[in-house]
Amino acid sequence: AQSVTQLDSQVPVFEEAPVELRCNYSSSVSVYLFWYVQYPNQGLQLLLKYLSGSTLVKGINGFEAEFNKSQTSFHLRKPSVHISDTAEYFCAVSAGGFKTIFGAGTRLFVKA
Amino acid sequence: NAGVTQTPKFQVLKTGQSMTLQCAQDMNHEYMSWYRQDPGMGLRLIHYSVGAGITDQGEVPNGYNVSRSTTEDFPLRLLSAAPSQTSVYFCASSLLGTLNTEAFFGQGTRLTVV
Repeated sequence: AQSVTQLDSQVPVFEEAPVELRCNYSSSVSVYLFWYVQYPNQGLQLLLKYLSGSTLVKGINGFEAEFNKSQTSFHLRKPSVHISDTAEYFCAVSAGGFKTIFGAGTRLFVKA
Repeated sequence: NAGVTQTPKFQVLKTGQSMTLQCAQDMNHEYMSWYRQDPGMGLRLIHYSVGAGITDQGEVPNGYNVSRSTTEDFPLRLLSAAPSQTSVYFCASSLLGTLNTEAFFGQGTRLTVV
């Protein structure tokens, strides 16, 4: 079985500062890893995904994440955040698109 | 392209009532699933289906039933609503067994049980 732990429930940050949202996972099989974003009163949309290959994955809106197999981590980063990045971010893991399991979410607050 | 469509968007039920949350997708995805989202708990998998006629339980299946008679539709039934089922429900669909494993989500159904 897979599980996902998002280490921070809330992350406040000032506009134009860098941010890292942390995610650790556990699994007994090879998995696919995802980050989704949820804006207020909306569904989730995909930010980026790691399936195989390069461990540094670039996504939409300037976000990137690095897969670290030895540390079982998939942290999300952005070098300079904007007010519009305020949202909830979910790390997720699945085995072949099957039974995707989500973390509890990290609420990112970007302050002016 | 409609993607994943959920209805209704909002619903208030009395304890003990039953209802069906509808979910339809037009992307010919084999895999469909239902999640509930509660504060501080992320999304928890209720039920899922890998194709027409095949369903299985997720993490929190109690109090919910599903069926999958067609590839497109995956309704979620609450048999006897309880206040603990107050939540936001999301339906998602994706392809199976390929590299394109992104899940596409509906806009959610906000359910309140009083």
